[in-house]
Amino acid sequence: DIVMTQSPDSLAVSLGERATINCKSSHSIFYSSNNKNYLAWYQQKPGQPPKLLIYWASTRESGVPDRFSGSGSGTDFTLSINSLQAEDVGVYYCQQHYSTPPTFGQGTKVEIK
Amino acid sequence: QLQLQESGPGLVKPSETLSLTCTVSGDSISSGTYYWGWIRQPPGKGLEWIGSIYYGGTTSYNPSLKSRVTISVDTSEDHFSLKLSSVTAADTAVYYCARHGEAATPYYFDYWGQGTLVTVSS
Repeated sequence: DIVMTQSPDSLAVSLGERATINCKSSHSIFYSSNNKNYLAWYQQKPGQPPKLLIYWASTRESGVPDRFSGSGSGTDFTLSINSLQAEDVGVYYCQQHYSTPPTFGQGTKVEIK
Repeated sequence: QLQLQESGPGLVKPSETLSLTCTVSGDSISSGTYYWGWIRQPPGKGLEWIGSIYYGGTTSYNPSLKSRVTISVDTSEDHFSLKLSSVTAADTAVYYCARHGEAATPYYFDYWGQGTLVTVSS
């Protein structure tokens, strides 16, 4: 299985500041044949299911605010939340779908400082 | 608007079989446009993919659970189901059904049900 490791486990950011979450895969999840990284990001708020934010490492899902952005390639990826809002509090997960089984990172909890 | 809704017993005894159904509305499983999957999340922990199914019945399972998992589909009723046998306390989790972003597996999940908590206890 490809292991996804996120850092940090939690972070506290002031409102309006930037939050940065890292995700590292144990194997490259980049397919050179189609130039795509098989990585997605989700946001989960308490008592709710995960919500897809980003797919193909950097493509924002429809309706997701543009303060959310994804970057990276190969084995190292980043989710950035620019100008953190109160409603962005939650746990964020990365997921690889390069190979079966698809696997998730352990999650990063984002709080307001 | 696509909606997925999990249903089934919230309490299962150890060694018995957990059975859940996911009813899809706002789309048709038989359209063949997507795979449909099950993911679980133990209380306070992370996400684990269980398996997925295509409308024709093609399945893909997590090797760690494969010996105990069966996923089936009923296109006439637009629902798909999960059976997990020989459960233990370690199977206590919120179980989500979700849609793949395309008719491929593995894939990311773009729509999720609200989830249902299943507790394994005598």
